[in-house]
This record gives sequence, C-alpha cells and structure tokens, in this order.
Amino acid sequence: DADVTQTPRNRITKTGKRIMLECSQTKGHDRMYWYRQDPGLGLRLIYYSFDVKDINKGEISDGYSVSRQAQAKFSLSLESAIPNQTALYFCATSDDGYEQYFGPGTRLTVT
Amino acid sequence: EDKVVQSPLSLVVHEGDTVTLNCSYEVTNFRSLLWYKQEKKAPTFLFMLTSSGIEKKSGRLSSILDKKELFSILNITATQTGDSAIYLCAVWHGGSQGNLIFGKGTKLSVKP
Repeated sequence: DADVTQTPRNRITKTGKRIMLECSQTKGHDRMYWYRQDPGLGLRLIYYSFDVKDINKGEISDGYSVSRQAQAKFSLSLESAIPNQTALYFCATSDDGYEQYFGPGTRLTVT
Repeated sequence: EDKVVQSPLSLVVHEGDTVTLNCSYEVTNFRSLLWYKQEKKAPTFLFMLTSSGIEKKSGRLSSILDKKELFSILNITATQTGDSAIYLCAVWHGGSQGNLIFGKGTKLSVKP
C-alpha cells in the first residue's frame, strides 16, 4: 500500500462549487503539506501543518482552507472553486521538513 | 524575496550525453538544498545537500553545492531515456519552522 494517498485522483467540477481533496499517510510523520503544480511554475505551497494544532499559510493560500483531522489526515478545501484553480494538487509528508514524500496527486479541473 | 531559479527550463539530449542542470538561490536562513525527480506524477527525492563542496553521488547522478556562490548543479552522465523527467530543485528557507521553496524545474528529454 502507498504511504501517502490522495482522493480523488481526478475531479472535474463547476465554478462556484465547494470541493474537498483528502490526503492520508501511514508514515507517521507530523509534517504535512499541500502544493499545487501548474505547467512551467513548479510546485507552490498552499498550506502546511507541523502537527494537528499547528497550521500555516503557504505562498498561495487565498481561496483555499485546510483541516488537519488527525496526524494521518490533512484535507484541502476550495470553498468556491474558480477556473484558475485548475491544477495538479499534491499532498506531501515529512519527518523533518527536508525530504518530503509526495502522494500521487489529484488533477482538478474547474469549468 | 526568497527565490530559487533553475536553468535551463528545458533540455533535449541524446542517449549517452552528459547533462548539467543548474539551480541558484537566494533565501533567508538557508539550511539545505534538495533535488527531486518527477517522472509521471509525484516527485521523488534524489539528494539533499547541506555542505559546500561535498559531492553526493548515486549511480550516474551526482550533485554538488556551492554556498558561497549560492548554487548547485546536478550532473547526469551517460543519459538514458529513463532519465527523461522534470528535475526540481528546492531550498529550505525560514529557519526551523520554515519549509521548502521550489524552483520551476528543468524538463529533460532524452532521445534514443
């Protein structure tokens, strides 16, 4: 079984809809991250969490919110999706913040 | 503003060639520089560099960091088609409560 899983793997939604992306990990790491990747722009950090009670905004948090339900679960929500949130979303975990283990990604399309 | 710049953004070579990928950075509270390889989906870890001048090596891949000039290179010798991927450079910034900032990546295509 994969150490970091993301659901759904692909999602098409309409402008204005609320959508949640979920991430689970079995590595026992405290640190979890949400990134988005757009062609030619690399990975950009949306939110990160050092433990259940410690959540921090990343570089591009506007339009997103997160919930750390447990050490193993970190969810990303788009309250009202817009087309420029179409992207590939990655969850990652880390023990120390340096070497990060990425999930398989969720491809989100907002029409 | 902290930033990580990779060059070139894309590169096409033939099998057997040697390639050098570049990563320069300007970040506060530098701690380490990391290289990741992204083939189809999720990036996978290659190297972490913390000290200047010490080469990290794994098979045909090697990397070195220059903390004085603020850059790192990733070398791939005797390239194979399986080396085709996006190579991402990331730098830790912001102290112990910081995180990684990624460059835009170099897309490497290796032709048979």
